[in-house]
Amino acid sequence: GAGVSQSPSNKVTEKGKDVELRCDPISGHTALYWYRQSLGQGLEFLIYFQGNSAPDKSGLPSDRFSAERTGGSVSTLTIQRTQQEDSAVYLCASSLQAGQGNGYTFGSGTRLTVV
Amino acid sequence: QKEVEQNSGPLSVPEGAIASLNCTYSDRGSQSFFWYRQYSGKSPELIMSIYSNGDKEDGRFTAQLNKASQYVSLLIRDSQPSDSATYLCAVNAPLDTGRRALTFGSGTRLQVQP
Repeated sequence: GAGVSQSPSNKVTEKGKDVELRCDPISGHTALYWYRQSLGQGLEFLIYFQGNSAPDKSGLPSDRFSAERTGGSVSTLTIQRTQQEDSAVYLCASSLQAGQGNGYTFGSGTRLTVV
Repeated sequence: QKEVEQNSGPLSVPEGAIASLNCTYSDRGSQSFFWYRQYSGKSPELIMSIYSNGDKEDGRFTAQLNKASQYVSLLIRDSQPSDSATYLCAVNAPLDTGRRALTFGSGTRLQVQP
């Protein structure tokens, strides 16, 4: 597609429920990243995928968080047993490849509210 | 010490003035540096990248890099009210860390007064 597409744009869920967030990167971009941004804060790295390589999961805050990328394209971020501190905007980005010279294109984000 | 540090602001400048946004980073081997602009309620958009010491100009924007001082800055000339946003500095980790994702600063909020 023309840009990075994320869905849903907004999600309100009850504490303890599981949620799935979806990201469809720019066609041809092999690197895909998930970040989250709490209100008034900077971007916190969660996980990145590069082609068929093992993902870098070093930013995931707990084992309630997981992500997969099927067929090197669409990615799903899953949060199990959501907590109120999980409330944030979850941003997905893609780039041509993970490397030193490539800036990212971000999607419009999913605003997650846990009540 | 944070890996990428920015003054949170707000930085307030009058319309037409030069806005100067600063960023310091801790990984001496970092090679790639980016500036993103984020309007309130929107996602970040890439506005500048710089890889070599010195200045890089693109329209009203100039990025400046000093690797010896671990310092990168963004100058916005002839500031306009439409430039009012949060500016995020982002840095790549050195190659030998194995990390490939950008590290972002917490951003500087710029307000351009008409």
